[in-house]
Amino acid sequence: GAVVSQHPSWVICKSGTSVKIECRSLDFQATTMFWYRQFPKQSLMLMATSNEGSKATYEQGVEKDKFLINHASLTLSTLTVTSAHPEDSSFYICSATPGDARRGGNTIYFGEGSWLTVV
Amino acid sequence: KQEVTQIPAALSVPEGENLVLNCSFTDSAIYNLQWFRQDPGKGLTSLLLIQSSQREQTSGRLNASLDKSSGRSTLYIAASQPGDSATYLCAVILGQAGTALIFGKGTTLSVSS
Repeated sequence: GAVVSQHPSWVICKSGTSVKIECRSLDFQATTMFWYRQFPKQSLMLMATSNEGSKATYEQGVEKDKFLINHASLTLSTLTVTSAHPEDSSFYICSATPGDARRGGNTIYFGEGSWLTVV
Repeated sequence: KQEVTQIPAALSVPEGENLVLNCSFTDSAIYNLQWFRQDPGKGLTSLLLIQSSQREQTSGRLNASLDKSSGRSTLYIAASQPGDSATYLCAVILGQAGTALIFGKGTTLSVSS
């Protein structure tokens, strides 16, 4: 079945550096992918909608210059946390939907998630 | 604005008990509702998907119901096992496929042997 792969699963970085997280749809094309963030004991919150070939759409309160999203191909979206700070430490997860009934239709598939710790 | 609430926030039960997790949403105009499981340090696993036109879905020991008019869904777990220990998330999707989900904060379940 359709699978969404996210990498890395765990990352520790120093404050002030940038971290890139990749989200790949392995056997289907996804014109739209979503990025979520989850702080401890909080619900998953939508950060942005990643659109292939165009700019991402950010939710209110999410800094687009800090969380750079690139959806350069139909199978890959990347989230770059720039100038990371300890308060950016969180669980980041992406999702995608095949759309094509032969590839899972409207089922939403999630990546495995990425745990970011900024020290 | 759609809000999703899950009660209780945490639940501890002995092995073998049947239990119910609750989810409520403020806007009944949903496209579908999904229940997910999240293990510590892991991503999400989809458990059950209920379309807005459906009343319930079953998978093994899990049964999810949906009452759109009252804005409620329940996840029933029969004969709980220690392996069921995880955080259970409820999420609604408002529009067509390809739109985002709105999640509750989850219910953390602990099943003791």
